Amino acid sequence: SQQGEEDPQALSIQEGENATMNCSYKTSINNLQWYRQNSGRGLVHLILIRSNEREKHSGRLRVTLDTSKKSSSLLITASRAADTASYFCATDAIEETSGSRLTFGEGTQLTVNP
Amino acid sequence: DAGVIQSPRHEVTEMGQEVTLRCKPISGHNSLFWYRQTMMRGLELLIYFNNNVPIDDSGMPEDRFSAKMPNASFSTLKIQPSEPRDSAVYFCASTVLAGGGTQYFGPGTRLLVL
Repeated sequence: SQQGEEDPQALSIQEGENATMNCSYKTSINNLQWYRQNSGRGLVHLILIRSNEREKHSGRLRVTLDTSKKSSSLLITASRAADTASYFCATDAIEETSGSRLTFGEGTQLTVNP
Repeated sequence: DAGVIQSPRHEVTEMGQEVTLRCKPISGHNSLFWYRQTMMRGLELLIYFNNNVPIDDSGMPEDRFSAKMPNASFSTLKIQPSEPRDSAVYFCASTVLAGGGTQYFGPGTRLLVL
């Protein structure tokens, strides 16, 4: 299966609740990133976590990384209707010698109901 | 900076016609990526360039697809002849060649081949 797989594929919650999305990958990485895509738009970078970091925060976002399990999670706290979007993880593999390529997962579609 | 610029934003064409998609990366970025996104296949990397040189075009589906980057500020993706199965959203993204950094996506070109 593909590097960078998100789980669940779709998540529907009520406004104010927390949303957790997970990502698994297969190879050793330099870093892992999360992106957001609103319907009909391009992907927008949210946060980057390096392989030597375990947790990172940015506003209402919290990302964890477990390199031993090759997995990451994205937590959005106190969700808002405006958080409705697709969320993708992307990995920068260590063996990627060309330097700039990322491998994107299939995404989690988050719906926050008002 | 205006961000990554793509044109056209929407393209409707008939099967067999040539389609040219254009991308202007962010000034100073030296890595450029072309992606295709569909419901069925998700986000696929078609080709990417480092310093205007194509590095990996293994994602280009067929010989009908070609991409060029004549200079640091312009790239094209051409489909000739186009087919209905080429209908998708095509994204261009750019980054600084520094190893797995943030990619900045354009708004995409929504292509419909009838």
